[in-house]
Amino acid sequence: GNSVTQMEGPVTLSEEAFLTINCTYTATGYPSLFWYVQYPGEGLQLLLKATKADDKGSNKGFEATYRKETTSFHLEKGSVQVSDSAVYFCALRLNGANSKLTFGKGITLSVRP
Amino acid sequence: KAGVTQTPRYLIKTRGQQVTLSCSPISGHRSVSWYQQTPGQGLQFLFEYFSETQRNKGNFPGRFSGRQFSNSRSEMNVSTLELGDSALYLCASSLVGANSGNTIYFGEGSWLTVV
Repeated sequence: GNSVTQMEGPVTLSEEAFLTINCTYTATGYPSLFWYVQYPGEGLQLLLKATKADDKGSNKGFEATYRKETTSFHLEKGSVQVSDSAVYFCALRLNGANSKLTFGKGITLSVRP
Repeated sequence: KAGVTQTPRYLIKTRGQQVTLSCSPISGHRSVSWYQQTPGQGLQFLFEYFSETQRNKGNFPGRFSGRQFSNSRSEMNVSTLELGDSALYLCASSLVGANSGNTIYFGEGSWLTVV
């Protein structure tokens, strides 16, 4: 089956620290990969995506590269801000006539001033 | 343009009751899917509707059902509520097509508490 594994959390960083959140996947086909973010009390917002191997998704200073050889899609940011405090979900979606996303468990990021 | 809209945002129900949640997708999006989010199980796929037909279903009991109307708006219903049904229910919409890169957009969710 399809699955997404995220590193265990929570993660607490100081402002301006470097962030890496690991994500690996298993898939029966060739997936597109996504990072979603959830701020307290809100729904999910798409942070970035990549649809094929070696694609790099980027948004708001966050980046993630689709690595097919290691089945990974790690999220990075060079300098986090307090406003980045949220829950981050890695997800995959297979090609085909359906819209099902398979999510990782999510990881809570807290950034201290 | 307007995003995915869900109503109600918050509700409290008693065990044994039933509940109906509503979702209006982004204009032009014909696929609507529903997810349940709980602290223990995380985000789990409930079902997906397209053109008023359910075309994908997650591993939930038959108490969970849904439907889609001709204007793509969708409702989900949970009957005989249990305490474990307390969760955030998220609706999502996307363009139709086999392209897995099509972005799925989420609403802010409906917070259901069962007491």
